[in-house]
This record gives sequence, C-alpha cells and structure tokens, in this order.
Amino acid sequence: DQQVKQNSPSLSVQEGRISILNCDYTNSMFDYFLWYKKYPAEGPTFLISISSIKDKNEDGRFTVFLNKSAKHLSLHIVPSQPGDSAVYFCAANNAGGTSYGKLTFGQGTILTVHP
Amino acid sequence: DAGITQSPRHKVTETGTPVTLRCHQTENHRYMYWYRQDPGHGLRLIHYSYGVKDTDKGEVSDGYSVSRSKTEDFLLTLESATSSQTSVYFCAISESMGQKAYEQYFGPGTRLTVT
Repeated sequence: DQQVKQNSPSLSVQEGRISILNCDYTNSMFDYFLWYKKYPAEGPTFLISISSIKDKNEDGRFTVFLNKSAKHLSLHIVPSQPGDSAVYFCAANNAGGTSYGKLTFGQGTILTVHP
Repeated sequence: DAGITQSPRHKVTETGTPVTLRCHQTENHRYMYWYRQDPGHGLRLIHYSYGVKDTDKGEVSDGYSVSRSKTEDFLLTLESATSSQTSVYFCAISESMGQKAYEQYFGPGTRLTVT
C-alpha cells in the first residue's frame, strides 16, 4: 500500500526552463510534507517542506505547492540548472499523530537537466 | 552538513551470517532512523530511536533489530542475512522539537550485498 506516490519515474528538462515534480498521497492524516534531493552515492538532503496549513512555500528557485483537496503536491524549480539533476523524493508525515518523526517516502523521480 | 557517518560503507556477506551496521552522529540529536532504499520503493523506515535505549519499529522491521546505548550511536543488526536484504541502508537524524523534527538529515549510506 503505497501511501505516497510519485508516478513519473523520470523527467527531462532544458536548462533555464521550469521543472515540475509531482507527488500524490492517499493518507488524509498526513499534514507535513517534504522534498529531498539525492545525488548518486550520497544520502538524501532536505530541500523544502510545507505544512498542511499552507498551500505554498518558496525558497529561492524552489517552490512547493500543496493541494489538500486533491491530495497532491508539486515541486517547481525555476530556472532549472544542470546541477539540479538528481533523484527527488517527496515525503509525508502525520505530525499530530503517534507517528511523530516517521516519514513515508515516495518512489522518487529522476530529474535530468540538459545544458 | 550534519555530522553523520556510517560504517562500513560497503559490505558483501553470505546468506545466514549476522551483520551489524553502525551509525554515528556528532550533533547530539535525539532522534535517529534507519531506512533502506530499493528501486521502485523509495526509502522505507526500518526502525527508529527517540532516545537512548528507546526504539520502535518502522514499516519494514522484520529481520532487523536495533540498539542505541549512547546518544551518538545507533546500530542496525541483521541477525541472519537474506538476499532480500541486499539494499542501500541510510541512517538519519533529527532534532526533537517542532517542525525541525521532520527535517531529517541523512548519512552517506551503506551498500550491503547478501550473496
């Protein structure tokens, strides 16, 4: 039972254009969402997060949008750079429940940004 | 970068042998986690710890045990390794209070192959 799904295994984008990575979730108890970036042979690194009380959070070139009614979140990267090429994971947590700190991850999307 | 190290970084072992992976942190964070990463599954939580000698199971805990005798060390043990436990294992840490608890910081990973 995959509670967090990233249905696009890969995405290819031209440098300077927008990258949009999508994530869907099924558990309505999730109320905190995060995006992680992972380079080969390294551990994931935290990128940006959003609480369910917001619908948008922005940090430099990275913006996360949350649509609670659709149980959908997306990560926008503008402008995309070749160094953004990595695997992106979305993750979710039930902050108000007993699963405090326990993240549920999606399968990941491989982003390739071409020069 | 958070001070997290994992050892060993690579290991090949035979089916049926015990294996222990070590995670060491220098951040004095309360929470520590063990994940495994497999193609098509993203990262899945194996076990986590919310303090010295305090641990709990994640979603894929069968065949694994953990111990935490000091704040800085979190050990993952495969009592009798099986080929299905071939994976990349990541340790993560997080602070204990507020939203920072969800921003987990990951180690570099251990690639384990069970033959």
